[in-house]
Amino acid sequence: QPVLTQPPSSSASPGESARLTCTLPSDINVGSYNIYWYQQKPGSPPRYLLYYYSDSDKGQGSGVPSRFSGSKDASANTGILLISGLQSEDEADYYCMIWPSNAYVVFGGGTKLTVL
Amino acid sequence: EVQLVESGGGLVQPGGSLRLSCAASGFTFSSYWMHWVRQAPGKGLVWVSRINSDGSSTSYADSVKGRFTISRDNAKNTLYLQMNSLRAEDTAVYYCARDQGPGTEFDPWGQGTLVTVSS
Repeated sequence: QPVLTQPPSSSASPGESARLTCTLPSDINVGSYNIYWYQQKPGSPPRYLLYYYSDSDKGQGSGVPSRFSGSKDASANTGILLISGLQSEDEADYYCMIWPSNAYVVFGGGTKLTVL
Repeated sequence: EVQLVESGGGLVQPGGSLRLSCAASGFTFSSYWMHWVRQAPGKGLVWVSRINSDGSSTSYADSVKGRFTISRDNAKNTLYLQMNSLRAEDTAVYYCARDQGPGTEFDPWGQGTLVTVSS
């Protein structure tokens, strides 16, 4: 099963932007997959944020602010979650997910975002 | 309101068995694929198993294949996870989640039920 690599931690100040990455292994092409993103706060289940395939194929979870957006960096084989206008309530763990096949799912290891 | 409520977690000895349940409400349960995802204490999310809408197709993570069985009762709007031959490394919060797709995002998630495997 592929391994999705996320930096263990990231930090930014309120009002700034945070760019969280999810790198796919070299043998699978980020351009071929929907990248799903989830947010998890301590003591709570994960919450679906959004998915990104392309600028013309993307979706936002219900009630998720437009400050949260997705993109890809094909040169780095990476999916990206961008959070603009950071707020203290954005402090959480963030996980990416893909479906390598229709039979199973893989999550990244998660990034703990600290809002300084 | 769409809701998923897990139950059945608890303390079990290594080698023991446990059956988790996930009661669904607020949507047409029989129309959706469902999943189990677990999270060991202080660790990340790990996908465990998936079942299609009528229960005819299932899949498992390698770490639980042959030990865990996912099933559903669409008449009772309930998802199950039968866990046998439990190991210490199975200790985790187990979440059920609805697949919006099939094969898309997981939304919503239940609150989770804690399984502790220890002697």
